[in-house]
Amino acid sequence: DVKVTQSSRYLVKRTGEKVFLECVQDMDHENMFWYRQDPGLGLRLIYFSYDVKMKEKGDIPEGYSVSREKKERFSLILESASTNQTSMYLCASSTTRGGSSYNEQFFGPGTRLTVL
Amino acid sequence: AQSVTQPDIHITVSEGASLELRCNYSYGATPYLFWYVQSPGQGLQLLLKYFSGDTLVQGIKGFEAEFKRSQSSFNLRKPSVHWSDAAEYFCAVEKGGGNKLTFGTGTQLKVEL
Repeated sequence: DVKVTQSSRYLVKRTGEKVFLECVQDMDHENMFWYRQDPGLGLRLIYFSYDVKMKEKGDIPEGYSVSREKKERFSLILESASTNQTSMYLCASSTTRGGSSYNEQFFGPGTRLTVL
Repeated sequence: AQSVTQPDIHITVSEGASLELRCNYSYGATPYLFWYVQSPGQGLQLLLKYFSGDTLVQGIKGFEAEFKRSQSSFNLRKPSVHWSDAAEYFCAVEKGGGNKLTFGTGTQLKVEL
């Protein structure tokens, strides 16, 4: 069974803290994504990665960075957390190599981050 | 620019009734289209996808969607809704290849017993 896991379901941090959100997939997918989900705004893409050590900006990268040192792991970093980064963060992975799950993004359960 | 519009924020239907969730997109070429469902407290799960070919696509849990190029629509349908279908539904369009998705703002479905 395919699986995407995220390090925490709930996280509370203070303004100015450095925050790490971790995502791990066990499907050998080459693509990984970070989204934030806010009521009324749907999902918005923050960053994505097509391969180890590769990253590309999504639609709302400001205030975030990412790291992908291993194929199965994609980290989202908030260098200095702010209250407007309070949100639900969703990680996803996919493959475009073919097969029945071609182009299907598999999502983790999400991390609800609160910045005080 | 690409965008996805889900005009209905909330929809309430009675159990056993039919359902149609609307999705409109703007894109210059033939799009890849997706419907995802998010049950309470869970991540998103793919219901169905359209890449090409037959414009009526069957998905999981009894859902189907029809691609209508002339209307730039990809509406999701189910003939008989179950209480367990209560969830949030997202339409998405792939932009520029590489499986980068643009999501709509979602439709929250409530099912009355």
